[in-house]
Amino acid sequence: GAVVSQHPSWVICKSGTSVKIECRSLDFQATTMFWYRQFPKQSLMLMATSNEGSKATYEQGVEKDKFLINHASLTLSTLTVTSAHPEDSSFYICSAPTSRYNEQFFGPGTRLTVL
Amino acid sequence: GESVGLHLPTLSVQEGDNSIINCAYSNSASDYFIWYKQESGKGPQFIIDIRSNMDKRQGQRVTVLLNKTVKHLSLQIAATQPGDSAVYFCAENTGGSYIPTFGRGTSLIVHP
Repeated sequence: GAVVSQHPSWVICKSGTSVKIECRSLDFQATTMFWYRQFPKQSLMLMATSNEGSKATYEQGVEKDKFLINHASLTLSTLTVTSAHPEDSSFYICSAPTSRYNEQFFGPGTRLTVL
Repeated sequence: GESVGLHLPTLSVQEGDNSIINCAYSNSASDYFIWYKQESGKGPQFIIDIRSNMDKRQGQRVTVLLNKTVKHLSLQIAATQPGDSAVYFCAENTGGSYIPTFGRGTSLIVHP
């Protein structure tokens, strides 16, 4: 199947700093990618839809100025958590749909810990 | 932060038993359903899918049943193995949308 990678797999940062997470589709092109966050023992919550060549679409309640999304190419989307705080600590997962009907492939996730 | 009171339901089974994981979906207009497996510290992994014009679909050791009347989806795992231990999520799509809506999830624990 299609492969989606994320980098880094985990990151620890100090409060107030910014952290960039990369999501890459390795063997297919993705004009759209999705960013989710997941708290422990909870389901995935969609944060935003990343669109190549245009602005991201954010879900209600997600601060676009805090979670900056850039879809630089057909294989790369980045999520930057700006001025991170401890409550931003979470598991961030990206996904990308393939050409097959609605099938999505998920990245392995990035564990962010803000001290 | 984490919401208080939201804990994953847990299903514990013995190795070799059959497992049934249930899911109630919310949107009667949903026309495509997927089961994902998520191991600890990893992203969700596609297991099996089913479209709304079907009520049953089988894969290798897994079967998905869809009951549109009561908006219920189930995942059956035959001869459950310790490697099946994970959290299982159902997800629904509506009208060709790429964006699945995830259900709550069930933690499956397989005892050797």
